[in-house]
This record gives sequence, C-alpha cells and structure tokens, in this order.
Amino acid sequence: DAGVIQSPRHEVTEMGQEVTLRCKPISGHNSLFWYRQTMMRGLELLIYFNNNVPIDDSGMPEDRFSAKMPNASFSTLKIQPSEPRDSAVYFCASSLAGGLAGEQYFGPGTRLTVT
Amino acid sequence: DAKTTQPPSMDCAEGRAANLPCNHSTISGNEYVYWYRQIHSQGPQYIIHGLKNNETNEMASLIITEDRKSSTLILPHATLRDTAVYYCIVRVTGGGADGLTFGKGTHLIIQP
Repeated sequence: DAGVIQSPRHEVTEMGQEVTLRCKPISGHNSLFWYRQTMMRGLELLIYFNNNVPIDDSGMPEDRFSAKMPNASFSTLKIQPSEPRDSAVYFCASSLAGGLAGEQYFGPGTRLTVT
Repeated sequence: DAKTTQPPSMDCAEGRAANLPCNHSTISGNEYVYWYRQIHSQGPQYIIHGLKNNETNEMASLIITEDRKSSTLILPHATLRDTAVYYCIVRVTGGGADGLTFGKGTHLIIQP
C-alpha cells in the first residue's frame, strides 16, 4: 500500500492567492483528518471526516479555510485568500473507524509558504 | 488544557533502553493512552496504545501504572533512527473516528 498521499509536497504562493492541498487516504479507510503544524502552535487538528461527512470543523481557523471530501478516496483543503500566517506544514491522516487500534496513518505533509 | 505532561527533552545512549515518561493524572476510565512519534520532516507515526495492562509490540513496550495516572514508553534498544519527538495522548478510543490532540511531546535524542 502506498500509504496516505498528499500533493503538492511543497507550495509557495503569494498572499491573496488561492491554495488547494490534496489528500488521498489509504484505500478502505473511512476516516480522514487534516492537521496543521507550526513552531508556535505545534500540531493542531483542523477538521475530520467520517464516511466522507465532516464531523468536526471546530479547528478550522477561519472562513478562509474550507475542506471537502467528495468521495472516499479524495479530499481537499482550500485556503482562499491565503495569508503569510497560514505558512505551515499541513498533514492529512486516515484511519479505519471501528477498528480496534484506532491508529491514524499520516501522510508526508505539504509545506506551505505564503509570502 | 493539556491532558498529559511530558518532559520537553531527553537523551539516551545508542543501544540502551529509552524510557519516556508521561503523566496523565486526570485520565478517565474509558480513555486509552496512545503514543505517537514524529521523526524530523515526517508525519507522525503510531507506536502503541493501552488501557490498563502493559502492552508490547515490535516497536516498543508501554507500562501503565495501576492507578493509570502515568505511563512509560520503553524503546528497548534505542538506535539513532529513534531520534524523534514522542507524543503521549489520552483519548477515548473511537476506533479512529475522532481526531488526536497533540501536546508538545518529548524530544528524544539518541547519542552515538
């Protein structure tokens, strides 16, 4: 299995531009999570989906952030418009809800730089 | 508020056992203790979890005190590749259906 796939791995954009981050979860997993990591705030949960339905988006910082999961094998996190303070590493993770371990498998992350 | 307390950093000699402590004095009866680690520039990786019994897998052992207020993650023979930030997390196991709340973790440095 290829694991969780994220694209792009690196993104550099200018303030005000739209940014779209993509994630392909592990096949068969039915929960998907978006996290953000910065030096100041550490790892933070932004939003998660169960069976493609958003369950908790309380971690989304503001309305500029939106996430979708149109099907079981794809999710996007969009920032519009982007700001320099959005610079961070964004991780996607997936898991099998209902499984005994509840372990989450993380992707390699997308490093976003907003100038 | 953080549910767990961990030392910010620890050193361990290569080949020795690394013992990483975690305090979780307010843990509830239905909450499990999970350990993840994050090697530099990678995503976090699941290590092990437990409820009240000691657990062992191919990566590590988890020792939970009888009152469940603290635990220790043991890497039996640490290698340089074990240098990472280790996170102790308490959560109700929803079978993976809910998100993880990460604290600051312990930066474990394995010395050659």
